[in-house]
Amino acid sequence: DQQVKQNSPSLSVQEGRISILNCDYTNSMFDYFLWYKKYPAEGPTFLISISSIKDKNEDGRFTVFLNKSAKHLSLHIVPSQPGDSAVYFCAASASYNQGGKLIFGQGTELSVKP
Amino acid sequence: NAGVTQTPKFRILKIGQSMTLQCTQDMNHNYMYWYRQDPGMGLKLIYYSVGAGITDKGEVPNGYNVSRSTTEDFPLRLELAAPSQTSVYFCASSHGQNYYEQYFGPGTRLTVT
Repeated sequence: DQQVKQNSPSLSVQEGRISILNCDYTNSMFDYFLWYKKYPAEGPTFLISISSIKDKNEDGRFTVFLNKSAKHLSLHIVPSQPGDSAVYFCAASASYNQGGKLIFGQGTELSVKP
Repeated sequence: NAGVTQTPKFRILKIGQSMTLQCTQDMNHNYMYWYRQDPGMGLKLIYYSVGAGITDKGEVPNGYNVSRSTTEDFPLRLELAAPSQTSVYFCASSHGQNYYEQYFGPGTRLTVT
């Protein structure tokens, strides 16, 4: 039972354009969501997060949107740069789960072409 | 700061062998985690620890054991390795006040044949 789903395994975008990565979840108890970025042969690195009390969080070129009624979140990267090419993982957690246990999606590989 | 370090980087095991994956962090984080990532899949939590002497199971704990005798170290033990344990293993740590933002090590690629 996949509680966090990223239905697009890959996405290709032109440099300078917007990248939109999507994530769906099924567990209504999730109340904190994160995006991690992963380069080959490295561990994931934290990118941006959002609490369920918000519907948008912005950090520079990265914005995460949360639609609780649709159980959907998205990551927008504007403008996209070649260095953004990586695998992006969506993750979710429920605050009743003490210890920061995260449930990850399968990942979306973003390729930004010059 | 080295952050989270993992050894070894690569390992090939024969079925039935045992090994320990090492993980050390130098950020004085209370929380530590072990994940595995199978090809085309997301990361799945194996075990986690909220402090020295305290460990608990994650989503996929079968076939693994952990211990946490110090704040810095969180080794993962594989007993009787099976081909299904072929995966990339990541260790992570986080601060107690913001345990969702986890810092990951570079991973150990394990093949069981």
